[in-house]
Amino acid sequence: SQKIEQNSEALNIQEGKTATLTCNYTNYSPAYLQWYRQDPGRGPVFLLLIRENEKEKRKERLKVTFDTTLKQSLFHITASQPADSATYLCVFNTGGFKTIFGAGTRLFVKA
Amino acid sequence: EAQVTQNPRYLITVTGKKLTVTCSQNMNHEYMSWYRQDPGLGLRQIYYSMNVEVTDKGDVPEGYKVSRKEKRNFPLILESPSPNQTSLYFCASSLVAQNEQFFGPGTRLTVL
Repeated sequence: SQKIEQNSEALNIQEGKTATLTCNYTNYSPAYLQWYRQDPGRGPVFLLLIRENEKEKRKERLKVTFDTTLKQSLFHITASQPADSATYLCVFNTGGFKTIFGAGTRLFVKA
Repeated sequence: EAQVTQNPRYLITVTGKKLTVTCSQNMNHEYMSWYRQDPGLGLRQIYYSMNVEVTDKGDVPEGYKVSRKEKRNFPLILESPSPNQTSLYFCASSLVAQNEQFFGPGTRLTVL
């Protein structure tokens, strides 16, 4: 079955550094990927969508890449701030209507 | 304000007592979905709906029912809840399936 793998270990970085989160997928070739942010006890919030023909997409301090050969997406937060501390989720649709979420990676940014 | 609402936010119930969690969106979205979130497992899709009267199973549909009689509402029904359905539940909607999803605030369900 289709599967998304995100690093289950928390990522700890210092304020001002770039955080890089990884999303690997198997048994499917999605036409696009989405990234969401989730704070404890709250619903996920959409951040970015990248299509298979877009190698890179940016929004303010966020950047997403999509490598269909490696079956991988990287999510970068530049100049990270303590307020960026959250869980980040990688998501794709299976081409129909089913949605697959990764388990998420927790990011901690220390001041 | 564009939003997805869920009720109740918190519920403690006992095994076998039927319950319904309501979900409503005011954005005229076609696609709606229910997820459960458990520690270490992330969000797993229970059911989704592409439009009124059109629903289909997600990855973990056992023990749940849904209906989509109106575009704005998508209730989740547990006919006979069991302790393994204790979880945090989220409803979400999007214009169409491939667009960004808007999530509700979540319903924390405990089944004793």
